[in-house]
Amino acid sequence: EDQVTQSPEALRLQEGESSSLNCSYTVSGLRGLFWYRQDPGKGPEFLFTLYSAGEEKEKERLKATLTKKESFLHITAPKPEDSATYLCAVQRGSQGNLIFGKGTKLSVKP
Amino acid sequence: NAGVTQTPKFRILKIGQSMTLQCTQDMNHNYMYWYRQDPGMGLKLIYYSVGAGITDKGEVPNGYNVSRSTTEDFPLRLELAAPSQTSVYFCASSYSLADLTDTQYFGPGTRLTVL
Repeated sequence: EDQVTQSPEALRLQEGESSSLNCSYTVSGLRGLFWYRQDPGKGPEFLFTLYSAGEEKEKERLKATLTKKESFLHITAPKPEDSATYLCAVQRGSQGNLIFGKGTKLSVKP
Repeated sequence: NAGVTQTPKFRILKIGQSMTLQCTQDMNHNYMYWYRQDPGMGLKLIYYSVGAGITDKGEVPNGYNVSRSTTEDFPLRLELAAPSQTSVYFCASSYSLADLTDTQYFGPGTRLTVL
């Protein structure tokens, strides 16, 4: 069965304290892996798409990496405005359907 | 572009009532989706559409219906609302070409409570 597991469920960091979020997946025929950010009361906001193992993408303090079994979202020197829930999703087959993990809730304290 | 818009933002229904959640996108995307998000759970796909006149079931379609008469609009219909349908509903859209991975863009959501 296709599955996406994110860890940890919640992460509390001090401002400037770098860390990583994990997304492990089992899916047949992976077409892409997506990272989204979701703020309370809002819809998911697209961050990155990764297509193949070894690929990396960066945006400001965020860097996403992909292996054959998992993806990491590295957060370097986070700021309080990085506080949000980060969602990982995988896309399979030809239909475009996404399978989401439950998310990691990140809190960054000043 | 406004992107993906959803109405209403909030709604309270009584058990057995019906309603339609509206979703419109102005990006000329051919794919559209409806998800629900329950507290502490990942988003679950309800229905999706690959183009006007074509819809298909997702993971959790029971109790819902959809239609797609235009490229822009993809309404979700709840018939005989039940407390189990209390959730936040998100509409999304993407532009998909054969063999290319597409990015889904989400609306702001509709928070529905069924009492």
